[in-house]
Amino acid sequence: LAKTTQPISMDSYEGQEVNITCSHNNIATNDYITWYQQFPSQGPRFIIQGYKTKVTNEVASLFIPADRKSSTLSLPRVSLSDTAVYYCLAPSGSGAGSYQLTFGKGTKLSVIP
Amino acid sequence: DAGVIQSPRHEVTEMGQEVTLRCKPISGHDYLFWYRQTMMRGLELLIYFNNNVPIDDSGMPEDRFSAKMPNASFSTLKIQPSEPRDSAVYFCASRRPDNYGYTFGSGTRLTVV
Repeated sequence: LAKTTQPISMDSYEGQEVNITCSHNNIATNDYITWYQQFPSQGPRFIIQGYKTKVTNEVASLFIPADRKSSTLSLPRVSLSDTAVYYCLAPSGSGAGSYQLTFGKGTKLSVIP
Repeated sequence: DAGVIQSPRHEVTEMGQEVTLRCKPISGHDYLFWYRQTMMRGLELLIYFNNNVPIDDSGMPEDRFSAKMPNASFSTLKIQPSEPRDSAVYFCASRRPDNYGYTFGSGTRLTVV
C-alpha cells in the first residue's frame, strides 16, 4: 500500500476552485488513486478514482501526472456544503490485501462565506 | 438502494458489558469491512470479509473484539467485555465486485462509561 501525504487543512472562499494535492512517491504499478469525502457524523463517501491522466465526474476532477507520484483533486466552485475532510488513498489493485483502504488524516477543507 | 445499514446509531453502555454492532451490506457487494474512528487514531480497519469469509483480522485490537458474517446480508461486531477506550464511531462498509468505490454506513457511535 502506497503511503500518501496531503495537507492537514485548507481554507477557501465560496465560489472558488479548490485543488488538493496528494503525494504518493512510492506508488506501485498496480496501485490506483482514490479520494473520499467525509462530513461530520457521517461515513466517508467515494468521490473519484483514477489510474493516470485525468478523470472527471459530476463532483470533481482528478489529475494524475505521467509519473503518478502525485495527484490533484479539483473541486470547482465550492460551496459551504463542501466543507469536509478529504482523504487521498492509493490502494493496490492486485495481490494480497488488494483494494484494502488505509485512511490517513486527510485534508480538512473549510469553505468560508 | 438503501445503502449500508448499521444499527444501532448510538449505543451507551457500562464498562464490562457486551456490545453488539450490526451491519447490513448492499446486496451484491462481495466485500464487507469494519472500521473504527477516533479523533486520536483516525479511521482504522479492524477486519474485512470476502464472500462471508474473514480475510484479514489483523486490525482487531484485542481478543475482546470478534466479528462474524453468517450470510451475505448480515455482519456483527461484538465487544466483550467493553472498556471506556473502546468508545469510538464504528463504520461498516461494503464494496462492489468491480471495486468502483466503497459504500460506508452511517456508523454506530459507541460510548462506554
